[in-house]
Amino acid sequence: KQEVTQIPAALSVPEGENLVLNCSFTDSAIYNLQWFRQDPGKGLTSLLLIQSSQREQTSGRLNASLDKSSGRSTLYIAASQPGDSATYLCAVTGNQFYFGTGTSLTVIP
Amino acid sequence: DAGVIQSPRHEVTEMGQEVTLRCKPISGHNSLFWYRQTMMRGLELLIYFNNNVPIDDSGMPEDRFSAKMPNASFSTLKIQPSEPRDSAVYFCASSFTGGDGYTFGSGTRLTVV
Repeated sequence: KQEVTQIPAALSVPEGENLVLNCSFTDSAIYNLQWFRQDPGKGLTSLLLIQSSQREQTSGRLNASLDKSSGRSTLYIAASQPGDSATYLCAVTGNQFYFGTGTSLTVIP
Repeated sequence: DAGVIQSPRHEVTEMGQEVTLRCKPISGHNSLFWYRQTMMRGLELLIYFNNNVPIDDSGMPEDRFSAKMPNASFSTLKIQPSEPRDSAVYFCASSFTGGDGYTFGSGTRLTVV
């Protein structure tokens, strides 16, 4: 069974800092990997989707990479802002859809 | 497209009552997923449908939970009878096989008192 782990579970950084969130998965037979953001009390917002044949995707200050062979993905956030504070989830699609454990990010003004 | 639409947004009910959550997936999507989110257990997949057929319901916690997808544009998740431990946020998501990922609804926050 696929297991998806995110490290760290919580992260607090000062505004302006660049940061990296990590996602690891145990079964490399995936179709794609997706990063989501969840704000307190709200639904999930898709940030980036990386297909299994791709290495990375970029959107604004966000860059996500995928190394399928090692079972890893990273989400890089440049020049963090207080508005980036949220929980970030990665999810992989294989035979089923599996969510990671999440990283709670706090950006301090 | 208005995205995945869930209703109601909030539901407060008394223990023992029947609760029905509704979901309208994105038009053209052929897979639909129901998730439950709690502080203790995070996000859990309850059941998913492909082309309106239930594929995996192993995540449904008990027989009190049932889900249906009578057509490609509508699904329900029913809890009967409801219990306080069912209190959670229930998310619906849809996708197109081999397509551009998943889209989630805003969720239904269920409180059973």
